[in-house]
Amino acid sequence: EVHLVESGGGVVRPGGSLRLSCAASGFTFDDYVMHWVRQAPGKGLEWVSLINGDGDNTYYADSLKGRFTISRDNSKNSLYLQMNSLRTEDTALYYCAILTDFFDIWGQGTMVTVSS
Amino acid sequence: SYELTQPPSVSVSPGQTARITCSGDALPKQYAYWYQQKPGQVPLLVISKDSERPSGIPERFSGSSSGTTVTLTISGVQAEDEADYYCQSADSSGSYVVFGGGTKLTVL
Repeated sequence: EVHLVESGGGVVRPGGSLRLSCAASGFTFDDYVMHWVRQAPGKGLEWVSLINGDGDNTYYADSLKGRFTISRDNSKNSLYLQMNSLRTEDTALYYCAILTDFFDIWGQGTMVTVSS
Repeated sequence: SYELTQPPSVSVSPGQTARITCSGDALPKQYAYWYQQKPGQVPLLVISKDSERPSGIPERFSGSSSGTTVTLTISGVQAEDEADYYCQSADSSGSYVVFGGGTKLTVL
């Protein structure tokens, strides 16, 4: 069975950093583009970033302005999101996801709260 | 940056047809996808590539495209269809993903 499990969320002060992880199982990890998508409390979905299967192509939402870095370790079936210079508006539930033409797989998300 | 525009809310009575639109300048060039999200749950893909229904999605869900607007249609709406619906696509380069703001479907 396909599983995505996020971890690494928590409470951080503005200007701080966090590294999120997503552990994948049940499929050939490096076959798939992986995404991070976030959802602020009571708000809509916001795409954050994607990385291709080899890890050599990455894309980010304009709003992040270079503060976040996506990466993957295919030997560990893991996806990461390094988040720096965090702002209160980054408070959200962060999902890792596979979004394809035929199916979608989402983790349950990890909550990031940026607050002083 | 590229945006997709959805109505904030749509209301229908059970058994009626709900139509949710999504507008974006790159939609003639890029496919659209629709996700359903119920409270406390992760999103679920209900329409792929403008009009294709993934396995397991009821036939009452359909999608269409015309110019810069795509439409999710739910025929014979049921109470269980009450949810937030998001369109998703990419900018004209195809590299940057974007979600619409979401539409809350209320079944009266």
